[in-house]
Amino acid sequence: EAGVTQFPSHSVIEKGQTVTLRCDPISGHDNLYWYRRVMGKEIKFLLHFVKESKQDESGMPNNRFLAERTGGTYSTLKVQPAELEDSGVYFCASSRDEGIFDETQYFGPGTRLLVL
Amino acid sequence: QKEVEQDPGPLSVPEGAIVSLNCTYSNSAFQYFMWYRQYSRKGPELLMYTYSSGNKEDGRFTAQVDKSSKYISLFIRDSQPSDSATYLCAMSVIQGGSEKLVFGKGTKLTVNP
Repeated sequence: EAGVTQFPSHSVIEKGQTVTLRCDPISGHDNLYWYRRVMGKEIKFLLHFVKESKQDESGMPNNRFLAERTGGTYSTLKVQPAELEDSGVYFCASSRDEGIFDETQYFGPGTRLLVL
Repeated sequence: QKEVEQDPGPLSVPEGAIVSLNCTYSNSAFQYFMWYRQYSRKGPELLMYTYSSGNKEDGRFTAQVDKSSKYISLFIRDSQPSDSATYLCAMSVIQGGSEKLVFGKGTKLTVNP
């Protein structure tokens, strides 16, 4: 079974540019999560999709971030325009059933974003 | 005060040593307590999770939760060089209709042959 995949693995952009990150969850997983780790800080929750619907986007930093999950399959996270403080590692995770007891969240390898 | 505190280390031990990793937390609403292992350039991988106070053992790994003290630990027995990684504690909480994970900063562990 293929794991969670993320693309690109690295991205270096200039301040003010736009970047789109993609996450392909494990097939059959309805729940998809985005997390971010800023250098020196802990991994923090950004948002949660159940199929194509946003269940919780309370962790999104501001309106420069837009997440979509068309058709309930892969998800994209767009940052427009990017700022220096957006640099970090963006992780995607997916799970079949909501709830740790039933199914764990499986993490992808992350996308390392550097905004210059 | 951060919801989850974890000493970032780094921690360096000889092969065969017993390793103790710890986290404290402040939110009584946390439900599940997890330990993730993260190798360099990889995503976090779930090692163990527990729900109640007490110990849970899986091979060389033991997870311990003390809810009264808001303290969790991971013990690694007979540590191996392959255990070298960053270990993250994480706790689940239901907020805003969603179950989300709250992570510690992670402790970088090096096991020297």
